[in-house]
Amino acid sequence: AQSVTQLGSHVSVSEGALVLLRCNYSSSVPPYLFWYVQYPNQGLQLLLKYTTGATLVKGINGFEAEFKKSETSFHLTKPSAHMSDAAEYFCAVSGNYGGSQGNLIFGKGTKLSVKP
Amino acid sequence: DGGITQSPKYLFRKEGQNVTLSCEQNLNHDAMYWYRQDPGQGLRLIYYSQIVNDFQKGDIAEGYSVSREKKESFPLTVTSAQKNPTAFYLCASSISPSTYEQYFGPGTRLTVT
Repeated sequence: AQSVTQLGSHVSVSEGALVLLRCNYSSSVPPYLFWYVQYPNQGLQLLLKYTTGATLVKGINGFEAEFKKSETSFHLTKPSAHMSDAAEYFCAVSGNYGGSQGNLIFGKGTKLSVKP
Repeated sequence: DGGITQSPKYLFRKEGQNVTLSCEQNLNHDAMYWYRQDPGQGLRLIYYSQIVNDFQKGDIAEGYSVSREKKESFPLTVTSAQKNPTAFYLCASSISPSTYEQYFGPGTRLTVT
């Protein structure tokens, strides 16, 4: 069965500092991997995704993530944090729930705080 | 504009009442999903539908019911059998199950007292 672990439920950085949000996954088949962002009381917005091909994936708002198969990781980074990056971030892996394609398995989320 | 709409944004109900949450999409997506979100729990799958007139239970289907009579619509009913219904409910859709990429609605916050 597929699973996702996000290390750290809360991460705090200073404005301008590097953002690193960690995601490790478990999957018995080649995974599709996703990062979503959620602002308070809103739905989830796709930041970036990995399906096949290039392992370094660039997304919106300056975020990027690297798929490392040997480490089963898909960590999210941004070189310089902005106040507007404060939100909750979810990592997700493709799942085959009940034998059906199409489902995503989500991590529990990491709340990012950005200090001025 | 194409997208997913959920209504209402906030919903209040008394314990023992059934309540139906609306989810509509005009993206022409085949698959639709309902999730429940509780603080620190991530998203948990309630039901999903990959095609009209068909749906499957997710991890936490007990106390919930759905229908998929039209491609655009996937309403969720929270029944009185759901022991702890207060939560944030998110609807999502994907163009087809094989893409896995899901688009989310704005959510409905349900409070039951």
